[in-house]
Amino acid sequence: GENVEQHPSTLSVQEGDSAVIKCTYSDSASNYFPWYKQELGKGPQLIIDIRSNVGEKKDQRIAVTLNKTAKHFSLHITETQPEDSAVYFCAASIKGGSQGNLIFGKGTKLSVKP
Amino acid sequence: EAGVTQSPTHLIKTRGQQATLRCSPISGHTSVYWYQQALGLGLQFLLWYDEGEERNRGNFPPRFSGRQFPNYSSELNVNALELEDSALYLCASSFRGRLANEQFFGPGTRLTVL
Repeated sequence: GENVEQHPSTLSVQEGDSAVIKCTYSDSASNYFPWYKQELGKGPQLIIDIRSNVGEKKDQRIAVTLNKTAKHFSLHITETQPEDSAVYFCAASIKGGSQGNLIFGKGTKLSVKP
Repeated sequence: EAGVTQSPTHLIKTRGQQATLRCSPISGHTSVYWYQQALGLGLQFLLWYDEGEERNRGNFPPRFSGRQFPNYSSELNVNALELEDSALYLCASSFRGRLANEQFFGPGTRLTVL
């Protein structure tokens, strides 16, 4: 089955710096890759996603890149702000398939210092 | 538009008891997913329901079960509770289609087994 590895487990940056979180996946059939942000005491919030027919997607300060050949994808946050502090999860899923569920990485705790 | 709702917020049980957790999906969504988020273990897929049927289950024992009602709301039942069942249980919903669709999470139910 699919396995998703996420690195680093913790990341500390200064406000205004960039943050990068990387994930690798094992199943070449996976073609949907969402990223979630989870703040303390809340459920995960979908912040951006990418499908396998696209190599990069941007939404304001957030971008995701996908390398299907190498089976890895990354989240880039630019001009970080204290409110970006949270745990970020990557995930992978097989397109519309019989499984449907997401396989998650173990999360990255991002701390943005003012 | 209301998001995914879950009840109760917190649930305290003793070992051997049964727990019932409830989830109401976003209006129009037909798929409901259940995930377990234990401390330090990320999100583990439990069950997927769509159109009232169980479509897939994760690597959990049969004492984890559930159902989906005609209005697409769902229940997760955990029988013969064990201490290691203590976790945040998250429900997500999505619109089922031919493509893998975004999953939106509720705030979770914190289950504590004493």
